[in-house]
Amino acid sequence: EDQVTQSPEALRLQEGESSSLNCSYTVSGLRGLFWYRQDPGKGPEFLFTLYSAGEEKEKERLKATLTKKESFLHITAPKPEDSATYLCAVRTGANSKLTFGKGITLSVRP
Amino acid sequence: DTAVSQTPKYLVTQMGNDKSIKCEQNLGHDTMYWYKQDSKKFLKIMFSYNNKELIINETVPNRFSPKSPDKAHLNLHINSLELGDSAVYFCASSQERVNEQFFGPGTRLTVL
Repeated sequence: EDQVTQSPEALRLQEGESSSLNCSYTVSGLRGLFWYRQDPGKGPEFLFTLYSAGEEKEKERLKATLTKKESFLHITAPKPEDSATYLCAVRTGANSKLTFGKGITLSVRP
Repeated sequence: DTAVSQTPKYLVTQMGNDKSIKCEQNLGHDTMYWYKQDSKKFLKIMFSYNNKELIINETVPNRFSPKSPDKAHLNLHINSLELGDSAVYFCASSQERVNEQFFGPGTRLTVL
């Protein structure tokens, strides 16, 4: 069975303090790793898709990377508006099923 | 413009009642999904339809029945509601089965 583990469960940063969120996965045949951001009371918002080890994608202060066992979401010089829960999900089968991790709640203090 | 919309936003009901949640997407996508997010924020797939055909049906009680009248709509009907059904239900859509999914704002269901 596919497993997705995210760590840490919660992370508190000072504004401008860069850090990384980890997503480890155990799957049989990765067909895509997805990062989402979820604000309180809202639906997940799509950020990135990564397909193969070594791939990287960037958007503003966020950069996602992928290895054969894990993915990192690097946050450079975070701002308070980056505070949210970040979800990682994997797709393995031919269908569209995503298996999500439990998320990492990021809090950025001004 | 709202891409994926759900109604209602909040639903409070008594145990044993039957209720429905509606979802509509205006993105032109051909695949739609229902997810359940529990109190610990864990998001889990329930159902998926591709061009009105059921393609994912996870281990969900028979009391839950999805219906897709067309590609842009996916409804969720729940019979005989139980306390454990309390959660936030999200609808999502994607173009083809393999692309990124876009989520609606969620429906918070509370069963008393």
